[in-house]
Amino acid sequence: QQQVKQSPQSLIVQKGGISIINCAYENTAFDYFPWYQQFPGKGPALLIAIRPDVSEKKEGRFTISFNKSAKQFSLHIMDSQPGDSATYFCAPTGFQKLVFGTGTRLLVSP
Amino acid sequence: DVKVTQSSRYLVKRTGEKVFLECVQDMDHENMFWYRQDPGLGLRLIYFSYDVKMKEKGDIPEGYSVSREKKERFSLILESASTNQTSMYLCASSPTRTGYEQFFGPGTRLTVL
Repeated sequence: QQQVKQSPQSLIVQKGGISIINCAYENTAFDYFPWYQQFPGKGPALLIAIRPDVSEKKEGRFTISFNKSAKQFSLHIMDSQPGDSATYFCAPTGFQKLVFGTGTRLLVSP
Repeated sequence: DVKVTQSSRYLVKRTGEKVFLECVQDMDHENMFWYRQDPGLGLRLIYFSYDVKMKEKGDIPEGYSVSREKKERFSLILESASTNQTSMYLCASSPTRTGYEQFFGPGTRLTVL
């Protein structure tokens, strides 16, 4: 069941550049829209999340943009750093469960 | 800091064996989850539990069962391991039923030969 579509599958960005990862969903009952970050050998960890009544949320270099009518939300990483190299998952929440996207492997080149 | 620990980082089993994966959390969280992670598929929910002795099926429960005898411990059981269950298994816990933040363990890489 393809409730969540995440793109791109992989991304290479130069240090200092902007990384953009997108997520499209189908279920209008989702009530939170988080992004998780996973480093090799570790479990995912919550990075940032947004509620559906807000169009944008910024925490440091990380911003979520949310478009309710298009059923899409995106993660923007400003001034990308090599330490941001990780796999990112969108994981909209509904019915008490997270529904994970397929993941985006980000590599930030020095 | 919330800590979720999993009994093994790597496990190799043979087809047909019964396999137990253990997960323990130390923050008195009510909710616990088991996922499997496969390349290109993201994380898929196998089973979850909102209380002791309570369990609910996730999206891919076939071939798995779970046990939650104590609040802090959630076990995933492969009754008869098969090669298509070779995967990374991740346990998570969360303090609220409708919250979006789950705390993950480091995972168990299971190989079934």
